[in-house]
Amino acid sequence: AQSVTQLDSHVSVSEGTPVLLRCNYSSSYSPSLFWYVQHPNKGLQLLLKYTSAATLVKGINGFEAEFKKSETSFHLTKPSAHMSDAAEYFCVVSPLRGSSNTGKLIFGQGTTLQVKP
Amino acid sequence: DVKVTQSSRYLVKRTGEKVFLECVQDMDHENMFWYRQDPGLGLRLIYFSYDVKMKEKGDIPEGYSVSREKKERFSLILESASTNQTSMYLCASSFAKGAYSYEQYFGPGTRLTVT
Repeated sequence: AQSVTQLDSHVSVSEGTPVLLRCNYSSSYSPSLFWYVQHPNKGLQLLLKYTSAATLVKGINGFEAEFKKSETSFHLTKPSAHMSDAAEYFCVVSPLRGSSNTGKLIFGQGTTLQVKP
Repeated sequence: DVKVTQSSRYLVKRTGEKVFLECVQDMDHENMFWYRQDPGLGLRLIYFSYDVKMKEKGDIPEGYSVSREKKERFSLILESASTNQTSMYLCASSFAKGAYSYEQYFGPGTRLTVT
């Protein structure tokens, strides 16, 4: 069965410093992977997606993630945090579609990013 | 741009009332989903639909029902609202092609309070 684990429930950085949000997945095949962001009282917005093309994926707002099959990781990074990056981030894995899942995604528990001035 | 809209951003209802939450998407997506989000519990799937009039239970369907009469519209119904259904409700939609699930596009959410 597929699963996803976000290794930190809360990350705090200072504005202008790098951001690292960690995500490990479990899968018997090479899945599709996504990162979503959710600002307070808003819906989830897709940041980026990996679908077996380039292993380094660039997303919106300067974020990127690297797919590392040997480490089963898909960590999210940004070189320099901005105050507007403060939000909750979700790592998501896409299982193989079949009669039992039909488009369902598997969400991590989320990581809250705090950005200090 | 994909757009998923939800009928209300904030809703306050009384215990025992019947509550309708509506979701509309404009991208001709086959799949539509209803989640609830609670602090410490993450996103939990209530119901999903992979075609008109088709639905499947998610992880926490008790106390809820759904309706999908048109491809673009997916409704969540709380037959008799209870205080433990106070939550943030999120609707999402996605394509249904290929071997993997596609990314889902989310609406802005409805924060429901049941008093």
